[in-house]
Amino acid sequence: KNQVEQSPQSLIILEGKNCTLQCNYTVSPFSNLRWYKQDTGRGPVSLTIMTFSENTKSNGRYTATLDADTKQSSLHITASQLSDSASYICVVRAGRYSGGGADGLTFGKGTHLIIQP
Amino acid sequence: DTAVSQTPKYLVTQMGNDKSIKCEQNLGHDTMYWYKQDSKKFLKIMFSYNNKELIINETVPNRFSPKSPDKAHLNLHINSLELGDSAVYFCASSHRGANTEAFFGQGTRLTVV
Repeated sequence: KNQVEQSPQSLIILEGKNCTLQCNYTVSPFSNLRWYKQDTGRGPVSLTIMTFSENTKSNGRYTATLDADTKQSSLHITASQLSDSASYICVVRAGRYSGGGADGLTFGKGTHLIIQP
Repeated sequence: DTAVSQTPKYLVTQMGNDKSIKCEQNLGHDTMYWYKQDSKKFLKIMFSYNNKELIINETVPNRFSPKSPDKAHLNLHINSLELGDSAVYFCASSHRGANTEAFFGQGTRLTVV
């Protein structure tokens, strides 16, 4: 069964600090891994998409890593800001789907991040 | 400019009613989706539409029916609403291709009482 597990479930840090969120998955065959940011009451917004051959990908202060051998990914947030408060969702796409970008996605439950001033 | 917009944002209705949620995208995407986010916060796909053709129909009750009048719209009709249908429903769109971005709407919180 395809699964995506994230840790921690929730995290509180002070503004300006760094943090790292973890993701483990058992989706097979693997196609790509995405990190989404979901603000309260909003839809998920994509931060990064990484394929099998990509180890690291950055988007501003967000840096995602992927180890396809151990089936682990992390999202590192540098110099956190109050606007970073949100849920961060790890999503893995299975390789057997031939449709569009949102087909075959398995979502994690998310890490709820709170940035305190 | 709103990329994927869905209405209404909140919907409260009684059991047994029939309701619709509308979705529109202005990104020129050829595939649209409906996702359900349950109380455990997991997002799960319900339907996928490409060029007016249903591609994926996960095991959802046939009380749920997607309707796509054109490539830019995918509406969700729900008949005989049940308490267990309460959830947040997200519309999304993307181009075809495994590594393409998926864009999500803001969600519709459906509460069945």
